[in-house]
Amino acid sequence: GDSVTQMEGPVTLSEEAFLTINCTYTATGYPSLFWYVQYPGEGLQLLLKATKADDKGSNKGFEATYRKETTSFHLEKGSVQVSDSAVYFCALGEWANFGNEKLTFGTGTRLTIIP
Amino acid sequence: NAGVTQTPKFQVLKTGQSMTLQCAQDMNHNSMYWYRQDPGMGLRLIYYSASEGTTDKGEVPNGYNVSRLNKREFSLRLESAAPSQTSVYFCASSLDSSRDTQYFGPGTRLTVL
Repeated sequence: GDSVTQMEGPVTLSEEAFLTINCTYTATGYPSLFWYVQYPGEGLQLLLKATKADDKGSNKGFEATYRKETTSFHLEKGSVQVSDSAVYFCALGEWANFGNEKLTFGTGTRLTIIP
Repeated sequence: NAGVTQTPKFQVLKTGQSMTLQCAQDMNHNSMYWYRQDPGMGLRLIYYSASEGTTDKGEVPNGYNVSRLNKREFSLRLESAAPSQTSVYFCASSLDSSRDTQYFGPGTRLTVL
């Protein structure tokens, strides 16, 4: 079945450092790809998404490009802030029964930014 | 605008007890989902409801039942709780499908002793 593999954590960086969190996927069709973020004590919220190959999703300085040739959707940010400390989930959306999609999540990467 | 709400926030059960987790959304969304989150395993789909009156199994449905009471509400029931069901449970909703953004509730932390 479909699956998502993302970079093991935890990741610790200094403020203003460059961030990359790797995400690769396996899928039989043409899924949508997502990055969700979970701040301490909260539910997940969408960070960005891309629905077809070569699309770039971006939000709050984060970017990820849907690369079909390498089956990847790596998350990047040029200069991280302390407020970016959270757990990041890569996810894949596929069509399931009754025309409805369901999300397959990676295991999450905990990011800590040190001032 | 409350978004997705879940009750309770925390619950401790003994093995064999039953309980229902409640979820409601006020965004007029058609699709609703129940996930569990376990350390090192990401989120796994338990059940989902594509529209009012329909429900379908996800990846890990065993030991759970769901009810889509109306368009707003989607409840998750544990009939006979087991320690393996200790987890954090998240409810989510989306406009029509997972191609749309899913909006998550704050979660319910359940411990089964």
